Amino acid sequence: EPEVTQTPSHQVTQMGQEVILRCVPISNHLYFYWYRQILGQKVEFLVSFYNNEISEKSEIFDDQFSVERPDGSNFTLKIRSTKLEDSAMYFCASSKRQARELNTEAFFGQGTRLTVV
Amino acid sequence: EDQVTQSPEALRLQEGESSSLNCSYTVSGLRGLFWYRQDPGKGPEFLFTLYSAGEEKEKERLKATLTKKESFLHITAPKPEDSATYLCAVQARGGGFKTIFGAGTRLFVKA
Repeated sequence: EPEVTQTPSHQVTQMGQEVILRCVPISNHLYFYWYRQILGQKVEFLVSFYNNEISEKSEIFDDQFSVERPDGSNFTLKIRSTKLEDSAMYFCASSKRQARELNTEAFFGQGTRLTVV
Repeated sequence: EDQVTQSPEALRLQEGESSSLNCSYTVSGLRGLFWYRQDPGKGPEFLFTLYSAGEEKEKERLKATLTKKESFLHITAPKPEDSATYLCAVQARGGGFKTIFGAGTRLFVKA
């Protein structure tokens, strides 16, 4: 069964450093997303990406964050100047969209646990 | 503002003891309501999509229903392996398919 793949599974970084989280979405999906989940809290939307551009972003997704689809398969989240409060589980997801707007459910990867020290 | 509220926060059941989880939502035009299962340290696993009031979906011991204001996830004769956090989420019409999640219901099923 096709799945969303995320690497690395765990990343530890020094405060102030830049990190890149990587994702391979399901191959025939058209929409790509990043979400985060701080330990014990809700899953929070960060950004959605369609047709090589951001289609929607939350207030969390400020200039510290950027996304890129560098080739036909990868989707990355870059976090610049990491802060302690960026420590969270980051989930990549993808969804398939049809003309009637059905099948818009997102399928999630297993996440990257980011720890900022 | 679009919002999702789930209750109860936690639910403890004996194996075989059926129950229901509630998801109340407010959204400016519902595109879809989703149920996910999340195991500790894992990503949400898709269970169901519901699009309109009156719709029902079933999968093994789970059945999801939808009204104009809430959704229920009914669990019939649960087993210990059904223990997980169940997440409800909504998408509003328009926009970029952002999904808004509730805080979840942690289900514990004891053998």
